[in-house]
Formats: sequence, C-alpha cells, structure tokens
Amino acid sequence: DAGVIQSPRHEVTEMGQEVTLRCKPISGHDYLFWYRQTMMRGLELLIYFNNNVPIDDSGMPEDRFSAKMPNASFSTLKIQPSEPRDSAVYFCASSTVGQGGLAGELFFGEGSRLTVL
Amino acid sequence: GQQLNQSPQSMFIQEGEDVSMNCTSSSIFNTWLWYKQDPGEGPVLLIALYKAGELTSNGRLTAQFGITRKDSFLNISASIPSDVGIYFCAGRRSARQLTFGSGTQLTVLP
Repeated sequence: DAGVIQSPRHEVTEMGQEVTLRCKPISGHDYLFWYRQTMMRGLELLIYFNNNVPIDDSGMPEDRFSAKMPNASFSTLKIQPSEPRDSAVYFCASSTVGQGGLAGELFFGEGSRLTVL
Repeated sequence: GQQLNQSPQSMFIQEGEDVSMNCTSSSIFNTWLWYKQDPGEGPVLLIALYKAGELTSNGRLTAQFGITRKDSFLNISASIPSDVGIYFCAGRRSARQLTFGSGTQLTVLP
C-alpha cells in the first residue's frame, strides 16, 4: 500500500513568492495533519483535519499560511508570500480513528524541504 | 511550545552497546509513542503505549509507559549501524493531539 505522498520533495524559492505543498493521505484515513520541522523548534503541529474539516489551526504561524482539504485524498498547504524564516521541512501525516475517537497512530510522508532565499 | 523534555539530546555509542533515552513531562499523558526519523525521511512509528506501566517490545527495542503517566523511556539493545537516526517521543493528553519531544540524535560508531 502507498504511504502518505507529498510533493514537491524539495523547493527553493525567493522571498515573496507563493509556495504550495501537496499531500495525499493514506486511503481510508480520517485525519490529516500538517507539521513543520526546524532545528530550533522541532516538530510543530500547524493544522489538522478530520473528515476534510479543519479542526485546529492554532499552530498556523500567521495569515500567510493557509491549508485546504477539498476531498479525502488531497490537501494543500500554501504560504503566500513566503519569507526566509519559513524555510523548514513540512510533513504531512494521516491516521485512522484511534482510542476515544481521537486520531490514532500517525503515518508521516517523506516531507517537503522548503528553502526561501 | 514543547511540553515534553526528551533526553539526551544526542548520543554517540559503540556498535553492540545498549541505549536508553527518555521523555518526561509535568503533565499526565494518556498515550506515549516512539518514532524514529532517518535522514531525509519522515518519522516512522516504532512503539505505541496506551496504559500506565505498560512495557512493550519490538525486536531489540523496549519502551515503557511510566507509572506516573508523566514519563516514558525507550531502550535499544545491542545497537547496530542502522539504528542511527533521530528518535522522538510523542505524547497525547486527553482530547489534544500529539506533542513531540525535541528528539535524540543517535550515532552508532563501528
């Protein structure tokens, strides 16, 4: 079975440009998460969806960041305009329903490494 | 911000040695998970713990859910070169989503 698929794997862009990261979760998973990983802050949860509905976006750094999940098999994370401090590895993860109706064990994609010059 | 204290931050060990790392928190967690991240890859789940006191093994890996529910440890026995990577603990409190530790970078020397 295919795991979580993310694209692009690497992106280098200039400050001010729009960046769109894409994610295809594992088929049948009800939860989708976007994380950001940096050396300084480790793994940070940005936003997560349950059944395509955004549940908690409190981790989204600012209005320049937006995420959508138009259907159960696709999500995007957009940064507009991008800034150098947005440089990080962005992970998408998905899970089924676990204990107590919460998300179960997370399965991560390989990540999208973003460099903003 | 981070609510889990993971230690050590990094470890250099000889092949064949045993390894131990842990996570602590001032808060009670209902679930503890341990992940490993290889370079250029996403974290992969190693072990999941759901009950206080639970001790679970996965091959050479053993993890325990602390009886106070505020800590967990991961042991790796007889380390091998492919154990190299970053190990993350992650905990879940009540209805909240996972919080990740800062990671332990493991280097295995031949």
